Formats: sequence, structure tokens, C-alpha cells
Amino acid sequence: KAGVTQTPRYLIKTRGQQVTLSCSPISGHRSVSWYQQTPGQGLQFLFEYFSETQRNKGNFPGRFSGRQFSNSRSEMNVSTLELGDSALYLCASSISGQGATGELFFGEGSRLTVL
Amino acid sequence: GQNIDQPTEMTATEGAIVQINCTYQTSGFNGLFWYQQHAGEAPTFLSYNVLDGLEEKGRFSSFLSRSKGYSYLLLKELQMKDSASYLCAQRDDYKLSFGAGTTVTVRA
Repeated sequence: KAGVTQTPRYLIKTRGQQVTLSCSPISGHRSVSWYQQTPGQGLQFLFEYFSETQRNKGNFPGRFSGRQFSNSRSEMNVSTLELGDSALYLCASSISGQGATGELFFGEGSRLTVL
Repeated sequence: GQNIDQPTEMTATEGAIVQINCTYQTSGFNGLFWYQQHAGEAPTFLSYNVLDGLEEKGRFSSFLSRSKGYSYLLLKELQMKDSASYLCAQRDDYKLSFGAGTTVTVRA
């Protein structure tokens, strides 16, 4: 059974640009959550999608957005990049969502560097 | 968000025992998780506690006291491969909130 796949694994952008990250969950998982991981801050919750609907959202500015497709694949977009957006972006999938089971299966992340 | 505290770093010797403590806010509590994350890799699930007491899984055990807002992860018979970051995460009604992680270094 394939795990959670995130692309691209590494990318470098400059301030003001935008970026789109992709996540393919484990087959059969309908929930996809996104987290930002930075040193010292840990994992910060961005949002969760379930059956193509955003179910929950963390405390991030509107520059951070996402969506989920009918095949449960998800994308997140960050517009007008800032230096502080440099981080590892982790995607996690679960069968029925964080509120139901809690066990998340993580991808290896997309490491974004903003110059 | 939830305020989850755990030590930043711990160092121990191969074969020893290490206990990683985690405190969290009790309001909205709906489960406590521990994840392991090796450098450059995805976090992987270690344990889950929702009731008070000790859950044992081989060399790893996790304890929960809901009234105290306290959990610990106990790593026994440490091996070099246990060098990693250990993440404490609290579940409320709709999401997992993670602590910043504890980096454990195992020395020979």
C-alpha cells in the first residue's frame, strides 16, 4: 500500500512569488491535513480537507489556501511568499479525519526555501 | 491554540532509559499522541492515550494523567536508531496540536 506522496520535495522561490504543493493521500483516505514545520515552532496546523471540503482551518493568513479533488488528492498554495514562509510543509492523511481517529499518516514533506 | 510543552533536547546512553515529559492544556482534550520523526523523514505514529494509565508497546511506553494534563513517553533499552525527534500531540475536537518536539540523542 503506497504511503502519502508529496511533490515537489524541495523547491526554492523568491519573495513575492507563489507556490503550489501537492499531496496524494493513502488510497481510501478521505481526509488530508496540512502542517507547517519550522525549527522551534513544531508543526503548525494549516487546514484539513475532507471529501473536497475544507473542514477546519488554523491561524494562518489568507495567503495560504488549499483545495481537495474528487480523488482526495490535495494541493496547497501560498501566494506572495515571504521569507518567513520557509519551512517544511507536511501533508497527512487519515481515513475519516483528525477529529474521528487522530492517527495521521504523514508524507515526507515539501521543503520550501524563500530567498 | 493548545499550549503543549516538552523539553527541547535530551541525551542518553545506548541501553539506558529516557523519559520525555509533555504537558498540555486540559480544556477540549480528546486524546494524546506521540510521534517519532527522524531527521529528514516523515513523522510516524508511536502511541495513543485517551484514558489514564500506561500503554506499553515493546520498548516504548506512554503514560497519561488527564487530571494533571501530563503525559510521558518512556524509551527503554535505547538503541542508536532511537535518535530522533519525539512529538507530543494533543487532539481536541477537530485537530491535532503538536508540541515543538524533543530531540533525543543516543550516544554509544
